[in-house]
Amino acid sequence: ETGVTQTPRHLVMGMTNKKSLKCEQHLGHNAMYWYKQSAKKPLELMFVYNFKEQTENNSVPSRFSPECPNSSHLFLHLHTLQPEDSALYLCASSQVQSSGYGYTFGSGTRLTVV
Amino acid sequence: SQQGEEDPQALSIQEGENATMNCSYKTSINNLQWYRQNSGRGLVHLILIRSNEREKHSGRLRVTLDTSKKSSSLLITASRAADTASYFCATAVIYNTDKLIFGTGTRLQVFP
Repeated sequence: ETGVTQTPRHLVMGMTNKKSLKCEQHLGHNAMYWYKQSAKKPLELMFVYNFKEQTENNSVPSRFSPECPNSSHLFLHLHTLQPEDSALYLCASSQVQSSGYGYTFGSGTRLTVV
Repeated sequence: SQQGEEDPQALSIQEGENATMNCSYKTSINNLQWYRQNSGRGLVHLILIRSNEREKHSGRLRVTLDTSKKSSSLLITASRAADTASYFCATAVIYNTDKLIFGTGTRLQVFP
């Protein structure tokens, strides 16, 4: 375990479903990130929260909705997804939003949209 | 084309051999980081090298950085089967250091 916990590990959902991904860290970090990892593509940064405030939305479709109730928890709410949204969704955290620190990643949620 | 590109895309070696992976980038950086990802898992931070550093070591890992060529290399010495994973470089672009930009990775297979 890295200290960043993601649940569920696997998720299969239909295009009309609504589901949520959860990320939790107790490392005392203040920045949290959502990344999307698709086969043969670089990791795509989706959202960044720094001290609970969203600081980055990387042109992500509105069917993905992040929520950060506190510095330890991050959610990604999903609705009316498309098959091309199937991917590994990774959560990461760092001391603060700065690339001067290494990121700690969770194990990811493998999402399949059918 | 993207900021960070690893080369080769895939590498197969025998246990005990050294593995070298390269990363090239386009825009000046503040630092460069290497991560490892085991199949279907999250990324693990290996090493961070700053733009004013040329070489860094951590155990069997050796990272070099050549800012004039905009390239970095990761050397794993005396590889083990457990080193089988994908390796990614991530760059912190200067003047935009709030985030890391990852490449597509090198898939390393170490045969026992």
